[in-house]
Amino acid sequence: GESVGLHLPTLSVQEGDNSIINCAYSNSASDYFIWYKQESGKGPQFIIDIRSNMDKRQGQRVTVLLNKTVKHLSLQIAATQPGDSAVYFCAEKGTDSWGKLQFGAGTQVVVTP
Amino acid sequence: DTAVSQTPKYLVTQMGNDKSIKCEQNLGHDTMYWYKQDSKKFLKIMFSYNNKELIINETVPNRFSPKSPDKAHLNLHINSLELGDSAVYFCASSRQGAYGYTFGSGTRLTVV
Repeated sequence: GESVGLHLPTLSVQEGDNSIINCAYSNSASDYFIWYKQESGKGPQFIIDIRSNMDKRQGQRVTVLLNKTVKHLSLQIAATQPGDSAVYFCAEKGTDSWGKLQFGAGTQVVVTP
Repeated sequence: DTAVSQTPKYLVTQMGNDKSIKCEQNLGHDTMYWYKQDSKKFLKIMFSYNNKELIINETVPNRFSPKSPDKAHLNLHINSLELGDSAVYFCASSRQGAYGYTFGSGTRLTVV
């Protein structure tokens, strides 16, 4: 399944399928991006990050792709599991002196059996 | 041991009251943050402290006042609570200059 972020859409994915979560960021000068996962009743948890000098980074079952030309970020989850059900946020590091993180609106992922 | 702990987890209060939320981190981080998450799950930074010094102060009503007695603690005091203050408030911390923030589990504030 695939979705576009920024409006908290819901992405329904069958267990075992791959998920693709998309995010458009705003600042072309941003040089660092993070994906967070927020389970119900919990705070956001760091999943994976990527710097702007890379276009792909892989973790355990997750891959982040960065396309600076169109200011687009995606998170791919392989073999989606029930424990992957959560809200996923992309965040970009600001270019001010303290580089605060600006979060996107999030995408709700629901894994169905 | 919880890395970033917030208290209380739930807070229900009437309009006009004053309330505080406390946050403590045992990670040895230098920087702490308060974020507000609205009903649509949008996360917005409110404040950040680095070694007890205020470094980020977003456009937040004066009714919100953060206080950092030491670098392991960041509290948030809210005066004259309004209905629109209802949200989940998250505390987070990081090493100075790092961006892999560690978040607490949130405080759900409901103003009635």
